[in-house]
Amino acid sequence: DARVTQTPRDKVTEMGQEVTMRCQPILGHNTVFWYRQTMMQGLELLAYFRNRAPLDDSGMPKDRFSAEMPDATLATLKIQPSEPRDSAVYFCASGLFGQGPSTDTQYFGPGTRLTVL
Amino acid sequence: QQPVQSPQAVILREGEDAVINCSSSKALYSVHWYRQKHGEAPVFLMILLKGGEQKGHDKISASFNEKKQQSSLYLTASQLSYSGTYFCGTESSASNTGKLIFGQGTTLQVKP
Repeated sequence: DARVTQTPRDKVTEMGQEVTMRCQPILGHNTVFWYRQTMMQGLELLAYFRNRAPLDDSGMPKDRFSAEMPDATLATLKIQPSEPRDSAVYFCASGLFGQGPSTDTQYFGPGTRLTVL
Repeated sequence: QQPVQSPQAVILREGEDAVINCSSSKALYSVHWYRQKHGEAPVFLMILLKGGEQKGHDKISASFNEKKQQSSLYLTASQLSYSGTYFCGTESSASNTGKLIFGQGTTLQVKP
């Protein structure tokens, strides 16, 4: 049963600290998405990658957030420095897209719950 | 542009039916429906494509009205396990980027 995995599941940190979240997409998927979910804003798309190349990161605060895919099995989302307003659940999702009309969809990981004090 | 879901919340008794709507101001290529239980990740339910047929599995089905840019999710004879927040995600392009814009969610509570 292939699944997206994320680590850590929970992270509590203090304002100003660096936070790194990791995601392992489903093997064979070529597209990885990062979302942030809060009660107020709902599910917001931060960035996404196709074949490890960034396609769109317009939803991400550029001054403190960065996203990378060092290899096909790992995507990272980094916040430096973190602020209390970054507290949220961060989801990674993956899917197989861009190969013609598709009925595929995004499959979500369990999320990282981030609390910045 | 974020799709608009209605209603925002609904409370049902077991066995009752519910309809959740998702409307977009943009022409749509596909609509994806997800359910999220508290503290868990969104789970994919079904996808409806432009020109496709109404979909369904078990007692949950959905339709897609291309002219109105609207999709509806039908939950029949609801069960306690149907409780959660339902999201529609819309894709505007046939280029198959996979990028979805999610609605704000509809919270469904099924009571015994």
